[in-house]
Amino acid sequence: DAKTTQPPSMDCAEGRAANLPCNHSTISGNEYVYWYRQIHSQGPQYIIHGLKNNETNEMASLIITEDRKSSTLILPHATLRDTAVYYCIVRVAGANSKLTFGKGITLSVRP
Amino acid sequence: GAVVSQHPSRVICKSGTSVKIECRSLDFQATTMFWYRQFPKQSLMLMATSNEGSKATYEQGVEKDKFLINHASLTLSTLTVTSAHPEDSSFYICSASLAGGRISYFGAGTRLSVL
Repeated sequence: DAKTTQPPSMDCAEGRAANLPCNHSTISGNEYVYWYRQIHSQGPQYIIHGLKNNETNEMASLIITEDRKSSTLILPHATLRDTAVYYCIVRVAGANSKLTFGKGITLSVRP
Repeated sequence: GAVVSQHPSRVICKSGTSVKIECRSLDFQATTMFWYRQFPKQSLMLMATSNEGSKATYEQGVEKDKFLINHASLTLSTLTVTSAHPEDSSFYICSASLAGGRISYFGAGTRLSVL
């Protein structure tokens, strides 16, 4: 079973920031928080991951609460191409460590 | 980012035939690859873990004799759907890990339609 909970859907206006929440209250100390997204009929795309510090890359920012029980993925300037299903996943790092996908959150970016 | 290639992207076959799907890590070596299946409007479900040079590990409920996995090299894993039936029609996706296993990259997926 997935160890994260996400709202089923949300929308935002193009050009505005999209803040996607995720709860992972049972996360273990050696588990990372990962975010992937899946655009319709494509394979999932890696976005970002973090352990306990906030992270930022060219795609997004990841804010993890101090107790690590929740996190927020921030797309700073959403575009129509960001419309997708976003998955928040927790897992230990390692080549043999599998990703368990939940239902994710469907983000719809409106013009 | 690293590239994982899947082939074919789409396949249509008759019931009872076998279909082979290839997953390649193009610019890195992967001792472990994963195979997922996704039905319409559902999330990805892990089918099996493919281990280079050894037997695959299957998730509960996945028939190992129906979904044959071969991982003969560090850059190639294959999934063969044997005696395919219409209920096997699905979107099959593979993944491989890079950077000490911290980041998994996914192929574009293979859409299988069994008539």
